[in-house]
Amino acid sequence: DSGVTQTPKHLITATGQRVTLRCSPRSGDLSVYWYQQSLDQGLQFLIHYYNGEERAKGNILERFSAQQFPDLHSELNLSSLELGDSALYFCASSVSSGQGVEKLFFGSGTQLSVL
Amino acid sequence: GNSVTQMEGPVTLSEEAFLTINCTYTATGYPSLFWYVQYPGEGLQLLLKATKADDKGSNKGFEATYRKETTSFHLEKGSVQVSDSAVYFCALRKRPEGGAGSYQLTFGKGTKLSVIP
Repeated sequence: DSGVTQTPKHLITATGQRVTLRCSPRSGDLSVYWYQQSLDQGLQFLIHYYNGEERAKGNILERFSAQQFPDLHSELNLSSLELGDSALYFCASSVSSGQGVEKLFFGSGTQLSVL
Repeated sequence: GNSVTQMEGPVTLSEEAFLTINCTYTATGYPSLFWYVQYPGEGLQLLLKATKADDKGSNKGFEATYRKETTSFHLEKGSVQVSDSAVYFCALRKRPEGGAGSYQLTFGKGTKLSVIP
């Protein structure tokens, strides 16, 4: 058990809908990273938050947004969903701000299916 | 930009066989290199890492050596077990261009390993 909790584990929805994925980092970790894992693209970095502030953006669509709350949990919001958004979404946490070599702890992921 | 290429899977081996999973990278400068493992139904876990040229990372019988001259970080294990069945990801981590923002991991597409008794 990595200590990172993601909910829900599975989510089935329809095109055009909006969903929210939740991530609770390990106790004491200030950084939360979001990744999307799909068969064709592999693991793609989406966004990084540190202590409530956005630190880096990767290949995140404009239809997607995220935030990190004062209690350090994070939510990834996906809107106007398309079939191609179906993927496994991981979050990972770490204690540091992302400067240097650090160990990331991954949650078990949320499997999103858009029908 | 940064990229990681690892051998296509799936790889199927018999128990106690020798394992090699090839990984090469493209990056400017001196990235840190990692192998992560994903067991069925779980998130990724760090398996081993190397931060500079000629470093050897090792853990649980797995090894990988950072070879700057060939831009490679191949994963090896002398005798695999059924419990090693998983997907293995090679990754690099590098300072962002211009120095701003946080270091990011760039992953390969993963290699699925199945070990049969």
